[in-house]
Amino acid sequence: KAGVTQTPRYLIKTRGQQVTLSCSPISGHRSVSWYQQTPGQGLQFLFEYFSETQRNKGNFPGRFSGRQFSNSRSEMNVSTLELGDSALYLCASSPRQGGANTGELFFGEGSRLTVL
Amino acid sequence: QKEVEQNSGPLSVPEGAIASLNCTYSDRGSQSFFWYRQYSGKSPELIMSIYSNGDKEDGRFTAQLNKASQYVSLLIRDSQPSDSATYLCAVNVSGTYKYIFGTGTRLKVLA
Repeated sequence: KAGVTQTPRYLIKTRGQQVTLSCSPISGHRSVSWYQQTPGQGLQFLFEYFSETQRNKGNFPGRFSGRQFSNSRSEMNVSTLELGDSALYLCASSPRQGGANTGELFFGEGSRLTVL
Repeated sequence: QKEVEQNSGPLSVPEGAIASLNCTYSDRGSQSFFWYRQYSGKSPELIMSIYSNGDKEDGRFTAQLNKASQYVSLLIRDSQPSDSATYLCAVNVSGTYKYIFGTGTRLKVLA
């Protein structure tokens, strides 16, 4: 069974630009979450999508947005990049079924973003 | 802000010893607790989940939960050098699919 796939794996942008990251969840998983990981702050929750709807949102500015498609694939976008946005962005899928919380998150390898 | 706190370490233990990793959380309503292991340069992987007070054992790993004290721990018995990694404690925010992660404890098992 293929794991969570994230693209691109590495990217370099300059301040003010925007970036789109992609995530393909494990087949059959309908929940996709996004996390930002930095050395100082650790893993911080960005948002979670289920059935193409954002269900939960973390404490990030509106420059961070996302969406989910009917095939459960998800994208996140960061506009007007700042130096502090440099981080590893991790996508995680979960076999969530409706309201049931199965708990387990399966993480992709991440997209490492460097903002210059 | 709901928080999850861990000692950043590094926690160094000799091979074969018991490694004890601790985590405290602030949200009294939390019901689901998880331990993830993250090797350097890799993504986190789930090693234990625990939902009820007490101990839960899986091979060399034992998770312990005390909701009254808002405390979760992970014991690794017979520690191996391959256990050297960062261990992340995660707590589910009750009623949501949001998880709060601690910043992790770096474990070093010395051969």
